[in-house]
Amino acid sequence: QPQLQESGPGLVQPSETLSLTCTVSRGSVSSTAYYWAWIRQPPGKGLESIGSIYYSGTTYYNSSLKSRVTMSVDTSRNRFSLKLSSVTAADTAVYYCARLNGYYGVGYLDYWGPGALVTVSS
Amino acid sequence: DIQMTQSPSSLSATIGDRLTITCRASQGINNYLAWYQQKPGKVPKLLIYAASTLQSGVPSRFSGSGSGTDFTLTISSLQPEDVAIYYCQGYNSAPITFGQGTRLDIK
Repeated sequence: QPQLQESGPGLVQPSETLSLTCTVSRGSVSSTAYYWAWIRQPPGKGLESIGSIYYSGTTYYNSSLKSRVTMSVDTSRNRFSLKLSSVTAADTAVYYCARLNGYYGVGYLDYWGPGALVTVSS
Repeated sequence: DIQMTQSPSSLSATIGDRLTITCRASQGINNYLAWYQQKPGKVPKLLIYAASTLQSGVPSRFSGSGSGTDFTLTISSLQPEDVAIYYCQGYNSAPITFGQGTRLDIK
């Protein structure tokens, strides 16, 4: 069973760029069978999909965040990353990385990281 | 994007009760529907995918049904450890989308 772990700053200044990395162990981001996804959850609220990435670099982004999101994958380090630019307080959330079991950016999320709380504040 | 709407938004039930949570998609998604359970302070856990397939290790009191636009999650006999928020998620097309959640607690 794969294990995923998010890492990155827990505090980001407004208007700056949020950067997170998800390192995968006991599994490979180079697998052709899966995509790798980012989901977020503002405090006390529901789940929101940010997007997903394939080992080849193909990405699918949520349309509401598309203009600010960049995802990348590093197969040599078995990890994938998220950048969210021009953040505001509304971007404060727990950010989860997860394995997306499916194809073309759609599927279900069968393994999740523990989550990383990112607070946007000056 | 496809919108997923759950009902009810909250539910209070007694131990041993049979209960159902409903999820409706804004357009047909075949059987591309998953259910997740999120216990307080915990990571969401996959319960069901493809509308009715139980993820390995999930108790058999959980079941799912539906196709097209209307789906249900049923708990056949509520247990104390089932207190959680339950989310549906459609995956017929990108981006994947979640319902707003149904909060379940014990009377």
